[in-house]
This record gives sequence, C-alpha cells and structure tokens, in this order.
Amino acid sequence: DIQMTQSPSSLSASVGDRVTITCRASQTIKNHLNWYQQKPGKAPTLLISASSSLQSGVPSTFSGSGSGTDFTLTINNLQPEDFATYFCQQSYSTPPTFGGGTKVDIK
Amino acid sequence: QVQLQQSGPGLVEPSQTLSLTCAISGDSVSGNSAVWNWIRQSPTGGLEWLGRTYYRSKWFHIYADSVKGRVTINPDTSKNQFSLQLDSVTPDDTAVYFCARGAGATVAYFDYWGQGILVTVSS
Repeated sequence: DIQMTQSPSSLSASVGDRVTITCRASQTIKNHLNWYQQKPGKAPTLLISASSSLQSGVPSTFSGSGSGTDFTLTINNLQPEDFATYFCQQSYSTPPTFGGGTKVDIK
Repeated sequence: QVQLQQSGPGLVEPSQTLSLTCAISGDSVSGNSAVWNWIRQSPTGGLEWLGRTYYRSKWFHIYADSVKGRVTINPDTSKNQFSLQLDSVTPDDTAVYFCARGAGATVAYFDYWGQGILVTVSS
C-alpha cells in the first residue's frame, strides 16, 4: 500500500493568514492526489482533485500543487470557515489511502 | 445533485455482523462511470477505505486487505442503493462509517459522501 504522510498534524493560524500543508507519498503517484476538508461531525468534502484541479464551488483561495511524491495545499487569506481538518488521498493505486490529517485551528 | 443517505444501527455486539445501507439519488448504482465505496473513520480520526463496487458490463467488488474475508459490499439495483456487511466485528471496528461515490477513475477521488453513521461495537 502507498503510505501518505501529511505535515504538520496541526497548526494554529489567524484570519487572513496564508497556510501551507504538505503531503508526501511513499512512492510516485504522478498527479493522482486529492484534498478534502472535514469539519467536526461532518463528512469530508472534496476540495481539489488531480493535485491542482479545484472543484466547483470551492473558493479560489484554495490551491494545490505537486507531482510525483510531494504535494502542497495552500490556503490564502484564511477565512473563519476554513478552520477545519484537511486530508490528502492518493488515487493512483488500490487501496486508495489517506494522509493522517492536518487540523487548522484559530491562533 | 447526487445525494447519499445512510441507514443502519449504531450499536453492534462483538462477533455479530455490522450492516449498513447507502441509498443513492441523482445517480445510478449500475451506471457506467461511478464507483461506490465504503470508508470508515476511526475514533482517532484516521480514514480507511474498506472497498468498492461498480458495474462495467459486469459487477466488480474490490476489498481492502485489512477486512478481506469479513466484508461484503453489494449493490441493490431495485432500490438504487448499496450495502456494507462486516462480519465478526470487534471493538476495533468501532468507527464512523461513510459511503462515498468515486469519480474520475476506478481508483477515484470521492466527490459525494453520505452523512456518516457512528457504529459502536460493544456488548
């Protein structure tokens, strides 16, 4: 199985900040990397697929980049509704696997 | 708009079978593009894919090694839904269980999710 390692596991930030979350795969996954946001008590929601393709309705303050083994999720101008946990997931091979999550909370 | 509505018990006794259902609206369980998945989230927050079913001229069922032999995912075309059965459960199977639609490929990203059901394994 492909292991997905996210860092940091948590971070504190302020409204208006720029936040960067990284995800590393244990082997190349080309661009088959997806990002999700999860709020407490809710299901994850898809933000970005194929490393950088923003889903419809997702604010342009979110962006993704990377290929191979190293990927980044960037949130510009952090808004109150962006405080949540973020997960990466590889869709290169079965089984699909997730990173451990990054909790973004208010500083 | 695709919607997934989950149902099933929130408490299962050890050694028994966990059974959940995911009703689909806005798509077809037997469609030729989507893939229907079960994913669970442990009490510590980790997400684990359990398996998927999909139709491509015939039905396919793919399961995670961690639950293979205990898990069955079946479509019900008459009700446009799919189900999860997990046999011989232990307290380690306590988790929030989600159904999710996979899109983009067979090994997919998950673009629609059910609401999740917390299943506790306890006597």
